[in-house]
Amino acid sequence: QKEVEQDPGPLSVPEGAIVSLNCTYSNSAFQYFMWYRQYSRKGPELLMYTYSSGNKEDGRFTAQVDKSSKYISLFIRDSQPSDSATYLCAMSLNPGNTPLVFGKGTRLSVIA
Amino acid sequence: DSGVTQTPKHLITATGQRVTLRCSPRSGDLSVYWYQQSLDQGLQFLIQYYNGEERAKGNILERFSAQQFPDLHSELNLSSLELGDSALYFCASSVVPGSYEQYFGPGTRLTVT
Repeated sequence: QKEVEQDPGPLSVPEGAIVSLNCTYSNSAFQYFMWYRQYSRKGPELLMYTYSSGNKEDGRFTAQVDKSSKYISLFIRDSQPSDSATYLCAMSLNPGNTPLVFGKGTRLSVIA
Repeated sequence: DSGVTQTPKHLITATGQRVTLRCSPRSGDLSVYWYQQSLDQGLQFLIQYYNGEERAKGNILERFSAQQFPDLHSELNLSSLELGDSALYFCASSVVPGSYEQYFGPGTRLTVT
């Protein structure tokens, strides 16, 4: 079993839809949870960061962490064609000492 | 544009050969990370340097090595290349050692034939 599991998709939604992207993980010691966005032919860029459990909101994006279920989610409201990208979850025990572990990424297409 | 530069963008080489990938971090960033991205394995951490010193090591093969120079640029050396080494290689940088906020370069696409 991989440490971090992520459905690769592809996921195709109409413009304006609410998108839910998810990851599960096996290591209960993970404390730091991130979502990176990767456009085609580009490197990943940090989108959201959450420490431990709870929700965090940034504009149209909401990150949720449920440590009891070892499950993290990224919600995108009012999705736009410009949101079309691959979304990678990442997590770490302590980024200062241990490397980030990435999911394989979910490819999202938002159709106008 | 993240401010991280990588050269070359594309590299095509034969099995058994050796290549060097180069990375210049963002201005002011002391930490450099190397990752390999393939369809099979996703984004895998290879190695991290901080201010010239190796800081952390991931699943980096013995055929691969890296270093960070005094001007903070870094090179990843891949030798005795195999078909399975074909992948995207990303460099990332951060201000502090071991940060969740890493700035990725555009990557080098390596094709081994």
